[in-house]
Amino acid sequence: KAGVTQTPRYLIKTRGQQVTLSCSPISGHRSVSWYQQTPGQGLQFLFEYFSETQRNKGNFPGRFSGRQFSNSRSEMNVSTLELGDSALYLCASSPDRPGTEAFFGQGTRLTVV
Amino acid sequence: QKEVEQDPGPLSVPEGAIVSLNCTYSNSAFQYFMWYRQYSRKGPELLMYTYSSGNKEDGRFTAQVDKSSKYISLFIRDSQPSDSATYLCAMSWNTGNQFYFGTGTSLTVIP
Repeated sequence: KAGVTQTPRYLIKTRGQQVTLSCSPISGHRSVSWYQQTPGQGLQFLFEYFSETQRNKGNFPGRFSGRQFSNSRSEMNVSTLELGDSALYLCASSPDRPGTEAFFGQGTRLTVV
Repeated sequence: QKEVEQDPGPLSVPEGAIVSLNCTYSNSAFQYFMWYRQYSRKGPELLMYTYSSGNKEDGRFTAQVDKSSKYISLFIRDSQPSDSATYLCAMSWNTGNQFYFGTGTSLTVIP
């Protein structure tokens, strides 16, 4: 069974630009969550999508947005990039029942210069 | 106060030792508890998943949850150099898959 696939693995962007990250969940999983991981803050929850609807949202500014497609693939967009957005962005895929396990992808390493 | 507290370490033990990793939390609504292992420059890998209080064993790993004390533990028996990684605790309640993570404990097992 294929795991969670995130693309691209690495990105370098300039301040003010926008970026789109992609995540393909485990086959059959309809819940996709996104997390930001930084050395100082650890893993912080961005948002969760389930069946194309945002089900939960963390405490991030509106520059961070996401969407989910009918095949459960998800994208995350960050607009007007800031230096502080440099982080590892992780996508997690979960079975349908809330509160179950989350399986993570390898992440996208975003560097903002 | 953070929802989940975890001692960052670093923790260094000799090969074969028993390792104890711990997290405390403040929100009594948490019902689902997980432990992840993360190697450098990789995504977290799920090790253990526990619902509510009690113990769960899987090979060399044992997870314990004490909801009355808001305290969870992961024990690693017969630790191996390949166990050297950062260990993250995570927890959630029953309203979706929003997980709250500890900051991680860095473990090194010395051959």
